[in-house]
Amino acid sequence: NAGVTQTPKFQVLKTGQSMTLQCAQDMNHNSMYWYRQDPGMGLRLIYYSASEGTTDKGEVPNGYNVSRLNKREFSLRLESAAPSQTSVYFCASSGGVFSGRSKNIQYFGAGTRLSVL
Amino acid sequence: EDQVTQSPEALRLQEGESSSLNCSYTVSGLRGLFWYRQDPGKGPEFLFTLYSAGEEKEKERLKATLTKKESFLHITAPKPEDSATYLCAVRNSGYSTLTFGKGTMLLVSP
Repeated sequence: NAGVTQTPKFQVLKTGQSMTLQCAQDMNHNSMYWYRQDPGMGLRLIYYSASEGTTDKGEVPNGYNVSRLNKREFSLRLESAAPSQTSVYFCASSGGVFSGRSKNIQYFGAGTRLSVL
Repeated sequence: EDQVTQSPEALRLQEGESSSLNCSYTVSGLRGLFWYRQDPGKGPEFLFTLYSAGEEKEKERLKATLTKKESFLHITAPKPEDSATYLCAVRNSGYSTLTFGKGTMLLVSP
């Protein structure tokens, strides 16, 4: 059971380039999330998808777009990367069909370390 | 707006020296307080969820407690392998998302 898988693990971009961060989960979870983590700032929510077919903005959505491709996959796209988007990006998922009260526990991937020069 | 404040920012302990980490929160209708452990270069790993004041949960050397305003993560006789950043998060009644604190970086020296 792989859990939450993120690709790539590392990426270096030049300012203005675009890229898509991929995330897939194999836990049959309904909800998926994208966070960024910066030193001294903690984890901040970028976008989330409460269920397949829906997406909503989080705390810091500017400069990002997301796609919930299907129940398993949730991608994050940077259309024109900026140095301020240098960060570690984490994908998480929660809410299996039979998870009951534990449906709000979020399980995280290993992260994508992105540098924008 | 939900707020989560963790203290101290960093804590250095000797092996066997027990201590506590604090998580203070303000939230409209707490629907869960979550503790995570994060090792360097890895994603957060779930530890505990607490739902109501007075609730306690334990796992090995860790014990989490909850009041109406704060949660404590007690570490008893820590070992070097307990070194990590510990994150606290809350969920309120209106949303399905979590609000995280900035974490406490714990270093346990042999």
